Amino acid sequence: GESVGLHLPTLSVQEGDNSIINCAYSNSASDYFIWYKQESGKGPQFIIDIRSNMDKRQGQRVTVLLNKTVKHLSLQIAATQPGDSAVYFCAENNAGNMLTFGGGTRLMVKP
Amino acid sequence: GAGVSQSPRYKVAKRGQDVALRCDPISGHVSLFWYQQALGQGPEFLTYFQNEAQLDKSGLPSDRFFAERPEGSVSTLKIQRTQQEDSAVYLCASSSRGMRYNEQFFGPGTRLTVL
Repeated sequence: GESVGLHLPTLSVQEGDNSIINCAYSNSASDYFIWYKQESGKGPQFIIDIRSNMDKRQGQRVTVLLNKTVKHLSLQIAATQPGDSAVYFCAENNAGNMLTFGGGTRLMVKP
Repeated sequence: GAGVSQSPRYKVAKRGQDVALRCDPISGHVSLFWYQQALGQGPEFLTYFQNEAQLDKSGLPSDRFFAERPEGSVSTLKIQRTQQEDSAVYLCASSSRGMRYNEQFFGPGTRLTVL
């Protein structure tokens, strides 16, 4: 498949460790945020979302934290597995239906 | 069930050729989106349909880009007189309703290479 993100920031973690991927957003009017996972040759896959009236939301092995004061979003993955290796994008929505994506972070999981 | 499908998966065009990229959304999904993803970057919004109506085309980079969804299901993104800077992955996404907080399901994309 095609490689996504040849020049992206990379986070390398050991299998079983926790991963934290960060994202800064620019639009203070954004009130809905989503994390996507993109594997090589595939489209982005929804992981978890959060609205601006919350500062934390948990899913299965994933947690999203939102800090509106500094316009920062993070994705925490617990007990990272080799299958988590991918490029991760945060996306924001401030009006209508379009999403604005960040630049992405490549997560590499070492066995 | 079937997800969003796109065809062709890969397209090579000579500069100046016209191309047409197809998106089959999830059956019954009201909203359909097109995004452009350059290598090493996040997807960028191109245009949005609710049923057959194109409600937002603010992201289309030039008048060489045209999208349609005549019957509110399948959509086609057409690029006329392709240029090298059009080389990218074109992603299609659909969501079940025309509301902001509905998950967008993405297809695998069409990689366009313009020589």
